[in-house]
Amino acid sequence: GDSVTQMEGPVTLSEEAFLTINCTYTATGYPSLFWYVQYPGEGLQLLLKATKADDKGSNKGFEATYRKETTSFHLEKGSVQVSDSAVYFCALRTSSGSARQLTFGSGTQLTVLP
Amino acid sequence: EAQVTQNPRYLITVTGKKLTVTCSQNMNHEYMSWYRQDPGLGLRQIYYSMNVEVTDKGDVPEGYKVSRKEKRNFPLILESPSPNQTSLYFCASSRLAVVGSYEQYFGPGTRLTVT
Repeated sequence: GDSVTQMEGPVTLSEEAFLTINCTYTATGYPSLFWYVQYPGEGLQLLLKATKADDKGSNKGFEATYRKETTSFHLEKGSVQVSDSAVYFCALRTSSGSARQLTFGSGTQLTVLP
Repeated sequence: EAQVTQNPRYLITVTGKKLTVTCSQNMNHEYMSWYRQDPGLGLRQIYYSMNVEVTDKGDVPEGYKVSRKEKRNFPLILESPSPNQTSLYFCASSRLAVVGSYEQYFGPGTRLTVT
């Protein structure tokens, strides 16, 4: 079945540091890939997405590139801020027509210190 | 404002006492889903619904029921809660499409504790 593997957290960085959160996937067909963010006490929000190989999703300074050859969708940001502290989830949806939709990774807690 | 609402946000209950967590969306979405979030496990889908009167099991349906009598509402029912159902629950909705990507909107979560 489909699965998503994220790097284990928690991740603690200083403000303005470079961020990478690794995400790899296993899926049949050609999945769409997503990063969701969950701020403390809130539900998940879509951060960015990519629907086909070599697509780059970007939002709020975050980027991720859909790499089919390595089945990866790593999240990056060049300079993190304290306000980026949250839990980040990588997710996929296959294009096989299944209505079960999103498969999530286990989440990575990010804490950014001033 | 487009949103998914859940009630209650916090609930402490005892083993065996039936409870219902409500979920409502105002975006006329066909698809609605319930997830539970547990440490180290991410989000796991409990049940989903493709439209009114159409529901199906997700990955962890045991101990839960759902109904979809109206398009906007998708309540989660625990007939006889047990401590292993202590978790953070999220409702989500989206348009239903066979191909293409689309955003899934999440509610704020319901933290349930079963003692």
